[in-house]
Parts: sequence; C-alpha cells; structure tokens
Amino acid sequence: DTGVSQDPRHKITKRGQNVTFRCDPISEHNRLYWYRQTLGQGPEFLTYFQNEAQLEKSRLLSDRFSAERPKGSFSTLEIQRTEQGDSAMYLCASSLASGPTTPFGSGTRLTVV
Amino acid sequence: GIQVEQSPPDLILQEGANSTLRCNFSDSVNNLQWFHQNPWGQLINLFYIPSGTKQNGRLSATTVATERYSLLYISSSQTTDSGVYFCAAKYSGAGSYQLTFGKGTKLSVIP
Repeated sequence: DTGVSQDPRHKITKRGQNVTFRCDPISEHNRLYWYRQTLGQGPEFLTYFQNEAQLEKSRLLSDRFSAERPKGSFSTLEIQRTEQGDSAMYLCASSLASGPTTPFGSGTRLTVV
Repeated sequence: GIQVEQSPPDLILQEGANSTLRCNFSDSVNNLQWFHQNPWGQLINLFYIPSGTKQNGRLSATTVATERYSLLYISSSQTTDSGVYFCAAKYSGAGSYQLTFGKGTKLSVIP
C-alpha cells in the first residue's frame, strides 16, 4: 500500500449536477473518515465509518450528501444537486482501531460553477 | 464540541531561526495530532501526541493534557518547512471519532 488514494483529483461541475468521489483506504485500516476543507480553513469532519458501518455524521452533512462504504473497503461520497458553497477540497483518511488518524489522501478538489 | 485554537495565525521566519507554535483545546482529549499541509494541499502527520513529549529531527512536540495545550517546536528552520501547520484534537468522550482541527498557523521561511 502506498497510502490513501482519492479519485478524481479535480472535478469541475455545473450547479445542480450530482458528483461522486471515491476513496481507497489502506487495506488493513478498518476506520475511514471524510473531511471537507475550504480555502484558509482547517479540515472539517463530515463522516466516519468503522468497517461498513457509518457511526458518526456531522451536521455539515446535509440531506444532499451521502456516503457509503460497501464491504468495509473503499468509500464513496456523493453530493446531489451541487451548490456553489460545496466548492472545497474533500479529504479522506483511514486509520487502525486505535492510534492516529493518518494518512490523509491527496484530496478531491471540487469546483461548482 | 471541542474547540481548538492555534497561535500565531501567521509567522515569517528567516532561514535558520527557531519557532514555537501553540495549540489550546477546550476539553479532555485522547488524540492530539500535528499536521503539515504543503503548498499542494497534502496533509502530513507530524506527531501523534495526546500527552508527553516527542522529537523527530528538527521538530519536537509537547502536550500537557491537564492544562489543555500542545506546543510544536521547529528548530533551524528551512524553506521546505513553509506551509500551514494544523493541530487537531479528538474529544475523549464515548462515541466521538472525529478530529477537530484548528485554523492553522501559516509559516513562511525566507532565505
């Protein structure tokens, strides 16, 4: 494993369209996290999976956002009916059951036009 | 939720200088991490330090959990140290898995 992989690296979409991002964690890591980072701010927590179970969701995760982690492996984050305020870097991280949240992926930069 | 405050927000250093970055947090934690975000946006974990002191080359960190603060020391700074340094903490209460990040310290090291 070379780390957490995220795809795509960049996405430009028109307002109102749906987008989906993928995260592939380190294979032996059972914990997976999604964060969002806007310009000049620190990352903000969106959601957390332990294996395939989504155990924590931020109030930032509105009804337009949905995340899945089928079979406890890769994860997807979907944003429906995108808005300009959704423009941000979306970061994924994975970890073992105890210890630090690391590593983080390189992120998917979303631009909504 | 837990609050994380970092200071200073911006720091300009001459190459070779030393610096101390501070992180205050509002509640008990069982995870405290320092990250460096490079100009390309990659977040690199520097230290996992819920308590105590650790050193890694020119960097060291100390967390005093009872007083709710952590310090990151950078010695003999280099231009490659430039970027944003984030502190992130996880509340130690049950059912909390998220890291809460501070707003970061933007470090610029000039030759």
